[in-house]
Amino acid sequence: GDSVTQMEGPVTLSEEAFLTINCTYTATGYPSLFWYVQYPGEGLQLLLKATKADDKGSNKGFEATYRKETTSFHLEKGSVQVSDSAVYFCALSDRTPLVFGKGTRLSVIA
Amino acid sequence: NAGVTQTPKFQVLKTGQSMTLQCAQDMNHEYMSWYRQDPGMGLRLIHYSVGAGITDQGEVPNGYNVSRSTTEDFPLRLLSAAPSQTSVYFCASMRDFSDTQYFGPGTRLTVL
Repeated sequence: GDSVTQMEGPVTLSEEAFLTINCTYTATGYPSLFWYVQYPGEGLQLLLKATKADDKGSNKGFEATYRKETTSFHLEKGSVQVSDSAVYFCALSDRTPLVFGKGTRLSVIA
Repeated sequence: NAGVTQTPKFQVLKTGQSMTLQCAQDMNHEYMSWYRQDPGMGLRLIHYSVGAGITDQGEVPNGYNVSRSTTEDFPLRLLSAAPSQTSVYFCASMRDFSDTQYFGPGTRLTVL
């Protein structure tokens, strides 16, 4: 079945550092790809998404590009802030319920 | 709009007790899902629904029942609680699977 693999955390960065969280997927069809973020004590919320190959999703300074050739959807941000500390989930849907990766915890220190 | 609401926020049960976790949404979404979140496991799908009267099993359905009598509500029933069901439970709704999922704030359940 479809699956998502993302880099294990935790990831600890200093403020203003560059962030990359790797995500690769396995799917038989052409899924939509998502990044969700979970702040402490809250539910998940959509960060960005892409629905077809070469699409770039972006929001709040985060970006991810749908790479069909490498089956990847890596999350990047050029300069992280303390407020970005959260758990980040990569997910896919091919007209099915979302399949999530296990999540990557990011801690940003001042 | 309240979005997706879940009650209760916290619950402690004894092994063998039953209970219902409530979930409601006011966005008129046809699709709703229940997930459990455990450390190191991400979110795993328990049950989902694509409309009133239509439900299906997800990855980890054993020990849980659902029904969908209205578009707004999607309760999750624990039939006989077990310690392995200690988890945080999230309900979500969406227009369709490829659209944004909106999550509730979660219910933290402890089974002793």
